[in-house]
Amino acid sequence: GIQVEQSPPDLILQEGANSTLRCNFSDSVNNLQWFHQNPWGQLINLFYIPSGTKQNGRLSATTVATERYSLLYISSSQTTDSGVYFCAVGVVEAAGNKLTFGGGTRVLVKP
Amino acid sequence: GAVVSQHPSWVICKSGTSVKIECRSLDFQATTMFWYRQFPKQSLMLMATSNEGSKATYEQGVEKDKFLINHASLTLSTLTVTSAHPEDSSFYICSSDRGLIYGYTFGSGTRLTVV
Repeated sequence: GIQVEQSPPDLILQEGANSTLRCNFSDSVNNLQWFHQNPWGQLINLFYIPSGTKQNGRLSATTVATERYSLLYISSSQTTDSGVYFCAVGVVEAAGNKLTFGGGTRVLVKP
Repeated sequence: GAVVSQHPSWVICKSGTSVKIECRSLDFQATTMFWYRQFPKQSLMLMATSNEGSKATYEQGVEKDKFLINHASLTLSTLTVTSAHPEDSSFYICSSDRGLIYGYTFGSGTRLTVV
């Protein structure tokens, strides 16, 4: 199956700092999404980005499908950005568009 | 839009008992529901895919007789952990793919503790 690797595994930021999270995947995909899991476990969809660049407020993401990686940028980080960021990739199958998750990047933003 | 309601949020049960987790799509029809398990400080692992009106598809290594999935309607999918053991203690999350606009929508998760 598809392998998804995220780096770094852990990240400690001072409030206001910028950071880049990386996601590498081992095979061609037609679905790539970034999620944020808050400390209570709720997962929120950040971006659907199988290719190209998108921005949403202080967050932006870029996927270079031909080179099989995606980047998530966090600018001017805030304490509410803390949590785990997951990259997940998938290929549409008969059983549905299931996703394979990376190991996540655990982010802690300190005030 | 695209809300998935998952209940219960947490449950503690005794070894050997069964626990049912429900996921309801509140404002859309979920023909497919994905069930994930997440151990502490680990990633999400797909357990099975449930399809309305048909049998669920289980991932390799997941016991279908232990994790019973039912998707009897377009708005309700359930996961029953049968004869639970302490090693089944985990965070269980359901999700549905809402397409390009909403992407994946997740339930709030169920933290199961088996004592």
